[in-house]
Amino acid sequence: AQRVTQPEKLLSVFKGAPVELKCNYSYSGSPELFWYVQYSRQRLQLLLRHISRESIKGFTADLNKGETSFHLKKPFAQEEDSAMYYCALSPGQYSGAGSYQLTFGKGTKLSVIP
Amino acid sequence: DARVTQTPRHKVTEMGQEVTMRCQPILGHNTVFWYRQTMMQGLELLAYFRNRAPLDDSGMPKDRFSAEMPDATLATLKIQPSEPRDSAVYFCASGWGRWDTQYFGPGTRLTVL
Repeated sequence: AQRVTQPEKLLSVFKGAPVELKCNYSYSGSPELFWYVQYSRQRLQLLLRHISRESIKGFTADLNKGETSFHLKKPFAQEEDSAMYYCALSPGQYSGAGSYQLTFGKGTKLSVIP
Repeated sequence: DARVTQTPRHKVTEMGQEVTMRCQPILGHNTVFWYRQTMMQGLELLAYFRNRAPLDDSGMPKDRFSAEMPDATLATLKIQPSEPRDSAVYFCASGWGRWDTQYFGPGTRLTVL
């Protein structure tokens, strides 16, 4: 069974400080990992996915298979980054029919203090 | 800018009543997902469809929940009878293909008294 763990329910940082939102996963195969974000009064939306290896809004995330982690990082937090962040896992491309589904962590609320 | 739509946005009902939530996926998407979000459990997958066929509904309490896609533009999630523990935000999401991004609707906030 796959599982995603986000150990922090709430993370508060000062504006300009570095941010790291932790995500650990449990899965026997090679998963795909995602970060989704939900800003206040907005719908959940994709922030980034590990296979794209891109930086979105200054955020990056590296998949560490040895540590089974996919932490989200940003060097300098901005007030507009305050939101709920969800890490999610999908079985990889060589999996069966179940690879459509996303398993989400319980989320971390990021609060950036001005 | 195509978006997933959900109706109603808010629903307050009494225990024992039937609740129907509707979702219109983005045109052309062939996968549809239903999630439930609560403070305690976070986001849980209830069911999902590909090309209108149900692929997995193991996350759904079968005795009271049912999910259908009567056509490619409409997905429904029904609860009958509803219970207070069903109070949550229910999200619909759609996507294209196996590894595409899932696009989420705004959610239906359900309160069962």
